[in-house]
Parts: sequence; C-alpha cells; structure tokens
Amino acid sequence: KNEVEQSPQNLTAQEGEFITINCSYSVGISALHWLQQHPGGGIVSLFMLSSGKKKHGRLIATINIQEKHSSLHITASHPRDSAVYICAVITQGGSEKLVFGKGTKLTVNP
Amino acid sequence: GAGVSQTPSNKVTEKGKYVELRCDPISGHTALYWYRQSLGQGPEFLIYFQGTGAADDSGLPNDRFFAVRPEGSVSTLKIQRTERGDSAVYLCASSAQVTYNEQFFGPGTRLTVL
Repeated sequence: KNEVEQSPQNLTAQEGEFITINCSYSVGISALHWLQQHPGGGIVSLFMLSSGKKKHGRLIATINIQEKHSSLHITASHPRDSAVYICAVITQGGSEKLVFGKGTKLTVNP
Repeated sequence: GAGVSQTPSNKVTEKGKYVELRCDPISGHTALYWYRQSLGQGPEFLIYFQGTGAADDSGLPNDRFFAVRPEGSVSTLKIQRTERGDSAVYLCASSAQVTYNEQFFGPGTRLTVL
C-alpha cells in the first residue's frame, strides 16, 4: 500500500463545476504539498501546508492532521485547470524528500 | 529570475550506454533533489543534496546510478550501463533551505533507453 493515496485517479468535469481531489496518507508528516503537472512534465507547486487551510485564487487546500487527510478544491473550474494534480508529503523524522501520490488527472470540458 | 533548468530535455540512448543528466538549480538554493517519474506514475525520490554532500541517497535504485554536486550548485545524475527500465522522466528540484520549504521543479529530462 502506498504511503500517499489520492482519489479519484481520473476526474472529468464541466466548466464551472466545483472540483475536489482527496489525499490520504499513512505516515506522520511534517508538511504536505499540492503540485500541478501539465502535459509535457513541468511541475508547479500550488501549496505547502502543515495545518489548516490555504487559499490562492480559485484554489483552496485543506489538511486535517488528525485524520491524515488533505483536500484540494477548485472553484469555478476552467479548461485551463486541466492537468495532473499530485499530493506529496514530507515524512517526519526523515530527510526532506517528497513522497508522492500517483496523481489525479483532471479534465475540464468547455 | 531563472528557474531550475535541466539538460538535455530529451535523451535517447542504447541499452548499455552511459548517460549524464544535468540540473542547474535556482541560484542560492542549497538543497537539490532528484526524482524519477515513470509513465502514469507519481515521481519517486532518488537522492537529495544539502550543499555539496548527498544527505540522503536511499532512493537510488542500484549502483549504476550516481549523482554529484561538487560545488554545491549544478548537479549531475550519472547512469551507467543503462537498461530499458531506466526509461523515465528525471526531475530535479531545488529549495532555498531544507526545512519544510517549497521545492521548485525543473522541466525534466525524458530518458529513453532503446
């Protein structure tokens, strides 16, 4: 079983819909990242959080440390949001390497 | 300023050959990470450097893989006797300091071993 699990694996939405992507992890963490990867491979960090909630534009990330769960929300989704969204954690007590989920492929149709 | 850059962007080689992949981190970033991403999978950790030293190389799959960062800036990932299973996108990331800091990713090098 992977240390970081994401759901759903694939998600198709219509423009304007509210999107939720979930991430569960089984280890103690120091921080959690949400990353965006567009076709062609470039990865961009969206959020890094260790507690609570962060908001940037139409993106919201929340984390519940006790439940070992994080969610990424996209409000008023747009076709340009189509990408793979990856959850990654920094585990406690170890090195600062990221442990990644397999990603959620989001397609937003016009 | 310039982001993380990686060269080459694509590398095609034959089984058994030696390859070098280069990463130029953001200037001043002390931490540098190498990851490998196979098709349809999330990235997997290979090695990370704090300054010139490899602080954690536990992700290197075997002794055919080696990485250096001699001056604490540019890093080179070296793969000897390449195998078809080494085909993947190799990603480099850097961060300003190690503790819980955002990592900035390069565009990756797509390695294809024929």
